[in-house]
Amino acid sequence: ETGVTQSPTHLIKTRGQQVTLRCSSQSGHNTVSWYQQALGQGPQFIFQYYREEENGRGNFPPRFSGLQFPNYSSELNVNALELDDSALYLCASSLRLASTDTQYFGPGTRLTVL
Amino acid sequence: DQQVKQNSPSLSVQEGRISILNCDYTNSMFDYFLWYKKYPAEGPTFLISISSIKDKNEDGRFTVFLNKSAKHLSLHIVPSQPGDSAVYFCAASAYGGATNKLIFGTGTLLAVQP
Repeated sequence: ETGVTQSPTHLIKTRGQQVTLRCSSQSGHNTVSWYQQALGQGPQFIFQYYREEENGRGNFPPRFSGLQFPNYSSELNVNALELDDSALYLCASSLRLASTDTQYFGPGTRLTVL
Repeated sequence: DQQVKQNSPSLSVQEGRISILNCDYTNSMFDYFLWYKKYPAEGPTFLISISSIKDKNEDGRFTVFLNKSAKHLSLHIVPSQPGDSAVYFCAASAYGGATNKLIFGTGTLLAVQP
């Protein structure tokens, strides 16, 4: 069974640019969530996708957007990058959309905005 | 508003002794709690969870205790091993508005001394 994978591992962008991060969910999982982890903080919920539909959103501006594909893989897009977007971006998948379903995390993508 | 709090940024324990990591929460709607372990440059790894209908869950060296009246949970690691040295995050989940999102604490850095 393959776990959650993310690409790329590291990324360096400049202010104003756009970035796309990718995530493959664990086999059989239909729910994908994205989190941002700033230095010294816990992960913060960005949004969640369930069966290709956005299923909830945290306190992030519209320039953070995403997609989920029929195979349940997902993308996170960030437009007009700001310095404060520098963080570790984590993708997590779960088997179903239930609060008692454990979310399993990928290794993350480290984004640096200069 | 920090709904999940880990008030101890760090903890140092001798190998073989017990490690106790604490977490407090404010939202009584949380119905599922998880502990994740995180090494630098890696994603969080799921350790153990507990449903709000239980007060204890055990898995090998790891035990999680939940005190709902005090809105407090703790993770006990016995015996502690040097490989347990990592950042530990407490997370809570509530199924509200059809979104299953995790709310994390800020983490506790555990150092197990040989």
